[in-house]
Amino acid sequence: GEDVEQSLFLSVREGDSSVINCTYTDSSSTYLYWYKQEPGAGLQLLTYIFSNMDMKQDQRLTVLLNKKDKHLSLRIADTQTGDSAIYFCAEGGGSYIPTFGRGTSLIVHP
Amino acid sequence: KAGVTQTPRYLIKTRGQQVTLSCSPISGHRSVSWYQQTPGQGLQFLFEYFSETQRNKGNFPGRFSGRQFSNSRSEMNVSTLELGDSALYLCASSRDSGGGEKLFFGSGTQLSVL
Repeated sequence: GEDVEQSLFLSVREGDSSVINCTYTDSSSTYLYWYKQEPGAGLQLLTYIFSNMDMKQDQRLTVLLNKKDKHLSLRIADTQTGDSAIYFCAEGGGSYIPTFGRGTSLIVHP
Repeated sequence: KAGVTQTPRYLIKTRGQQVTLSCSPISGHRSVSWYQQTPGQGLQFLFEYFSETQRNKGNFPGRFSGRQFSNSRSEMNVSTLELGDSALYLCASSRDSGGGEKLFFGSGTQLSVL
């Protein structure tokens, strides 16, 4: 069945770039998403990319998609302490429900 | 525009009891999905409702049920609570069926079963 995998933790220094990686298995996915969850809150959609795109940039966020390898990444430039959160990768499209990874906890230290 | 509202925010129950959680979607959104989030299992899909009908269902036992009303508000019910049901329950709404659509999440209901 469908599966989305991502590493559990990432620690970076404030001001550095963060790169969160994700792999998925469903080649029919048409949308790939990145959600952010802050403590005590629900998930917030950060950005998404269509499967026919290779890259999408939105201010400090850059999403790269390698469809051949089924690999998705989220780069956060100039990472700030406010970026500390759990980041979820998800795949979806068509008529089925998005499948979420387990989330990557991003820790930003001074 | 108001976001997705979930009530209550926190719940403490004991084993064997039942619980009902409520979700009010964003105005105009017809699809409501429910997820269970635990540290060990991550985010797991429970079910999705669209126009008062359950369209998709995850792999949860029959103790977990839900419904959607004509105003798109949704409730989920868990009967005969078990310790393992302790989790954050998240509701998400979207404009259409949930497939390929952006999901908007509420802040969740934190359920503790003692």
